[in-house]
Amino acid sequence: GAVVSQHPSWVICKSGTSVKIECRSLDFQATTMFWYRQFPKQSLMLMATSNEGSKATYEQGVEKDKFLINHASLTLSTLTVTSAHPEDSSFYICSASSRGYEQYFGPGTRLTVT
Amino acid sequence: AQSVTQLGSHVSVSEGALVLLRCNYSSSVPPYLFWYVQYPNQGLQLLLKYTSAATLVKGINGFEAEFKKSETSFHLTKPSAHMSDAAEYFCAVSDRTGANSKLTFGKGITLSVRP
Repeated sequence: GAVVSQHPSWVICKSGTSVKIECRSLDFQATTMFWYRQFPKQSLMLMATSNEGSKATYEQGVEKDKFLINHASLTLSTLTVTSAHPEDSSFYICSASSRGYEQYFGPGTRLTVT
Repeated sequence: AQSVTQLGSHVSVSEGALVLLRCNYSSSVPPYLFWYVQYPNQGLQLLLKYTSAATLVKGINGFEAEFKKSETSFHLTKPSAHMSDAAEYFCAVSDRTGANSKLTFGKGITLSVRP
């Protein structure tokens, strides 16, 4: 149980375009979903926390207008990277929680902006 | 505020040797603590967690960790390393605020296993 999927697993886009990443909880309802960013050989950095039906709460330093997060249902959250630039290239990981303290992680999405 | 310190960035052991990955935490409230493993280009897999029950926690793949409040530590151990244990390991602490509990991660340790 507690499986989280992400789609796509790998995406290449051109600079200036937008890309959407989906995060789904497959066998449970996720009241809260988290989005992380991970640079090579580094730890996970929390970008934002989203609750179903509410606006996401962004961490300090994360651009809300660049990283749009939507949590439309209890099983789906999306991260849209708008007007992507090469510096947005990274590994994006989502996690989902239904019981407060424990998070279940997705497999990650590798974004490359050319 | 909470934080996690994982000293060193790389640990190398021989196959069959003891694995010891260190984690120290700082938290203003009794913590929940976690160890995760990450294989290349994959998400995080939970190895084990401490949630204020038994201080010695057993996890998957033969790993275990002991919560020591006096030392503010939660070190991860495995008696005998296997080649498949080579991966990145992250220690994390939860702020236990309920529905939106955030995790704070250490910077991670790369474990290499020599044949």
